[in-house]
Formats: sequence, C-alpha cells, structure tokens
Amino acid sequence: DQQVKQNSPSLSVQEGRISILNCDYTNSMFDYFLWYKKYPAEGPTFLISISSIKDKNEDGRFTVFLNKSAKHLSLHIVPSQPGDSAVYFCAASAQGGSEKLVFGKGTKLTVNP
Amino acid sequence: DAGVTQSPTHLIKTRGQQVTLRCSPISGHKSVSWYQQVLGQGPQFIFQYYEKEERGRGNFPDRFSARQFPNYSSELNVNALLLGDSALYLCASAPGQGVEQFFGPGTRLTVL
Repeated sequence: DQQVKQNSPSLSVQEGRISILNCDYTNSMFDYFLWYKKYPAEGPTFLISISSIKDKNEDGRFTVFLNKSAKHLSLHIVPSQPGDSAVYFCAASAQGGSEKLVFGKGTKLTVNP
Repeated sequence: DAGVTQSPTHLIKTRGQQVTLRCSPISGHKSVSWYQQVLGQGPQFIFQYYEKEERGRGNFPDRFSARQFPNYSSELNVNALLLGDSALYLCASAPGQGVEQFFGPGTRLTVL
C-alpha cells in the first residue's frame, strides 16, 4: 500500500524551463512534507519542506505547493539547470519531519542543455 | 562541518551470515534513523533512535536490530541474511524532534 505516490518515473525538460514534479499521498495524518534530491552513489539531500498549515514554500529556484484537499503536492524548479538532473523523492511525515519518513518511488529528472 | 558518515561503503555477504553497519551522525544531532532502499524504490523506514531510545520501528522482521551509543552513533545489525536484504542502507540524523533529517551516503549491501 503506497501512501506516497510519484506517478511519473521520469521527466525531461530543457535548460531554463520550468520543471514540475508531482506527488500524491493517501494518509490524512501526514502533516509535514519534504523533497529530497539524490545523485547516484550519494545519500538523499534535503531540498525543501512544507508544513500542512501552509500551501506554499519558496527557497530560491525551488517552490513547493501543497493542496491538502486533493492530497497533492508539487515541486517547481525555475529555471531548471543541468545540475538539477537527479532523482527527486517526495517524503511525508506524521510527526513533524524528524520522525518516520514515508517516501515515494522517486522521479528521475533530466535537464537537457 | 562533517556530514553523516557511514561504514563500510560496500559489503558483500552470503546468505545466512550476519552484518553490522555503522553510522556517525552530524555533530550535535541526537536522532538517528535507518532506511533501506531497494533498487527502483524509495527509502523505507527501519528504525529511529532519539537520545539512545528506540522511538520508531518499521515493518521489518526481528532479524533487523539497532542501537544507539552514548556518543549518538548507531549500529544496524541484520542476522540470517537473505538475498532480498540486498539494498542500500541509509542512515539519517536530525538535531531533535520536528526538524528535517540529513542522510549519509549509505552502505551498499550485496547478499549472494
């Protein structure tokens, strides 16, 4: 039973354009959501997070949107850069982020020069 | 500042053997969590320790155990290895409750 779903295994965009990565969840108890980026042979790197009391959080080129009624969140990267090419994981927590994280399967983003 | 460190980097074992993986959290972090990432999947939660006490356990068999030491480092033990235990084992640390976790590079375990 996948509680966090990333339905797009891969996404390809041109450098300078917007990348939009999507994530859906089923557990209404989740109250904190995170995005991690993972390069091969490295551990996941924290990117950005959002609490369920907010609907948007922005950090530089990265913005996360949360739609609680739809149980959907998205990560926007603007403008996309070739160095952004990696696997992006959506994760959710029912206890503020430092407790058990439930991850999606990931979306592989490729940004073409 | 040093990030989360894990050892060894790679490990090859045979079925039925036992393995111990080690993790050193970021200095000042008191929470350590372990995750298993199988190829093509996202990381799956195994254990969380905070201030040397187990605070959470995922859906893994009793062959998996862990502990946290007074210096907040941690070990993950897996007994009676199965082929399906082949995975990347990730350790993550956090300074406390309610904040983001930071991951180490992982230990790649191969069971033959």
